[in-house]
Amino acid sequence: EDQVTQSPEALRLQEGESSSLNCSYTVSGLRGLFWYRQDPGKGPEFLFTLYSAGEEKEKERLKATLTKKESFLHITAPKPEDSATYLCAVQDSGGYQKVTFGIGTKLQVIP
Amino acid sequence: EAGVAQSPRYKIIEKRQSVAFWCNPISGHATLYWYQQILGQGPKLLIQFQNNGVVDDSQLPKDRFSAERLKGVDSTLKIQPAKLEDSAVYLCASSLWGSGGARDTQYFGPGTRLTVL
Repeated sequence: EDQVTQSPEALRLQEGESSSLNCSYTVSGLRGLFWYRQDPGKGPEFLFTLYSAGEEKEKERLKATLTKKESFLHITAPKPEDSATYLCAVQDSGGYQKVTFGIGTKLQVIP
Repeated sequence: EAGVAQSPRYKIIEKRQSVAFWCNPISGHATLYWYQQILGQGPKLLIQFQNNGVVDDSQLPKDRFSAERLKGVDSTLKIQPAKLEDSAVYLCASSLWGSGGARDTQYFGPGTRLTVL
């Protein structure tokens, strides 16, 4: 069974204080790893897809990286508007290409 | 481009009552997903449709939950009868599906928050 573990569950940062969120995964065959942002009362918003170890993607203050066992979401000089829950999901390469989500990391950036 | 639409946004019912949720995916998206998200947890897949057909419903509690996707577009998810533990946000998502890459990216609607009393 595919598993996704995110850490920490909650993170509080001062504005400008860079940090990383971790997503560890177990999957028989990885088709893709996704990062989403979710604001309270809203559906998840797509950020990145990573397909193979060594791949990196960037968007504004966010950078996602992938190894064979985990992914990191690096946040550089965060701002209060980056406060949200960040969800990691893996899609397996089996017949159903099932997507499994982690429980998320709740990030709070304090001015 | 219009996003995934869901209604209602909020619903409060008594236990043992029935409830239905509606989803309209992004135009042209062949694959539609229903997820259940309990407070403090990540989304859990309930059912996945590819056009009209069900691809995966292994985590759908079939004794009380049902879903259909008529004409490969809109979908409804029904709960009958509801239990207290069904209180959650029900999210609908859609994707292009197929050969991988950006086609697999799922785009989510705003969700329906269900409270069962």
